Amino acid sequence: NAGVTQTPKFRILKIGQSMTLQCTQDMNHNYMYWYRQDPGMGLKLIYYSVGAGITDKGEVPNGYNVSRSTTEDFPLRLELAAPSQTSVYFCASSQRGRRSYEQYFGPGTRLTVT
Amino acid sequence: ELKVEQNPLFLSMQEGKNYTIYCNYSTTSDRLYWYRQDPGKSLESLFVLLSNGAVKQEGRLMASLDTKARLSTLHITAAVHDLSATYFCASAAGNQFYFGTGTSLTVIP
Repeated sequence: NAGVTQTPKFRILKIGQSMTLQCTQDMNHNYMYWYRQDPGMGLKLIYYSVGAGITDKGEVPNGYNVSRSTTEDFPLRLELAAPSQTSVYFCASSQRGRRSYEQYFGPGTRLTVT
Repeated sequence: ELKVEQNPLFLSMQEGKNYTIYCNYSTTSDRLYWYRQDPGKSLESLFVLLSNGAVKQEGRLMASLDTKARLSTLHITAAVHDLSATYFCASAAGNQFYFGTGTSLTVIP
């Protein structure tokens, strides 16, 4: 199993541009999450999904959108990039009831908005 | 909103010594997580604690949970250099996760 994969690894955006961060998991997990990590800080939850077609906001959803059309994929969309969105973005997945709710993280996408 | 505070934020310790990292959270939560992050890397899950009094151990690390005090601890026994990393706790309430700001641990030979 590849686990949780994210693309791209790095990206530089200009202010006002849009992009989609891709996240795929091959563990058949129902739950998927998007986090951002600012320098020297802990992670903050942006959005999560409890299954295909079901998404909900986390702590910091403004400026982002998500969709979940399949169990495997959970893309994160930035519509109008702003410097405040410069961060490292992590996707994670879990399957409740198995492995004690453990979360598995992807390698991250480092995004710079200038 | 649930707040999670870790202390200390920075910890420098000698090899062979013991130390404890503390994680306080502000409101009722369902479960408490501990993660390790190496510089420039992703997060690695260490422990998930589900109930009051839960204790889990893996190698030189032991985590415990006191839900009445809203406190979790990560105890390091006889530290070795390989344990140098940043350690995060996270408290979960339903589907919402709240992370502490991390404890940067450096183990000195």
